[in-house]
Amino acid sequence: KAGVTQTPRYLIKTRGQQVTLSCSPISGHRSVSWYQQTPGQGLQFLFEYFSETQRNKGNFPGRFSGRQFSNSRSEMNVSTLELGDSALYLCASRPGTVEGYTFGSGTRLTVV
Amino acid sequence: QKEVEQNSGPLSVPEGAIASLNCTYSDRGSQSFFWYRQYSGKSPELIMSIYSNGDKEDGRFTAQLNKASQYVSLLIRDSQPSDSATYLCAVKEWDFGNEKLTFGTGTRLTIIP
Repeated sequence: KAGVTQTPRYLIKTRGQQVTLSCSPISGHRSVSWYQQTPGQGLQFLFEYFSETQRNKGNFPGRFSGRQFSNSRSEMNVSTLELGDSALYLCASRPGTVEGYTFGSGTRLTVV
Repeated sequence: QKEVEQNSGPLSVPEGAIASLNCTYSDRGSQSFFWYRQYSGKSPELIMSIYSNGDKEDGRFTAQLNKASQYVSLLIRDSQPSDSATYLCAVKEWDFGNEKLTFGTGTRLTIIP
């Protein structure tokens, strides 16, 4: 059974650009969440989608947005990149809304 | 601001001993609790979930939950060098009618051969 797949694995972007990250959940999983991980802040919740609807959103500026498609695949977009957006972005999926998450390998974003 | 707190460590434990990792949380309404293990350069991996007060055992791992005191712990028996990792406590919290999983900053565990 394939795990959570995130693409790309690594990205280098310039300040002011925008970026789109992709996540394919485990087959049958309908809930997808996104987290930002940095050495100083740890894992910070960005948002969760379930059946194409955003269920909850963390305390991030509006530059961070996401969506989920009918096949449960999800994308996260960050516009007007800042140096502080450099982080590991993790996608996680679960079958419903009760179980623990399974994480993907992450996308490491570097903003220069 | 609801919080999940862990001692950042590092926690050093001799091989074969019991490693004890602790976590406290602030949301009294929390019902679901998880422990994740994260090796350096890797993504977090779910190792235990617990929903009721008391102990839950899975192999060498035991999760303990005390909702009255708002703490959850993880015991690792017969610690092995391969257990060296950062352990993350996660708590499902309710925030304005929506639930989200909040993580502690993790405890770095080193098993000394």
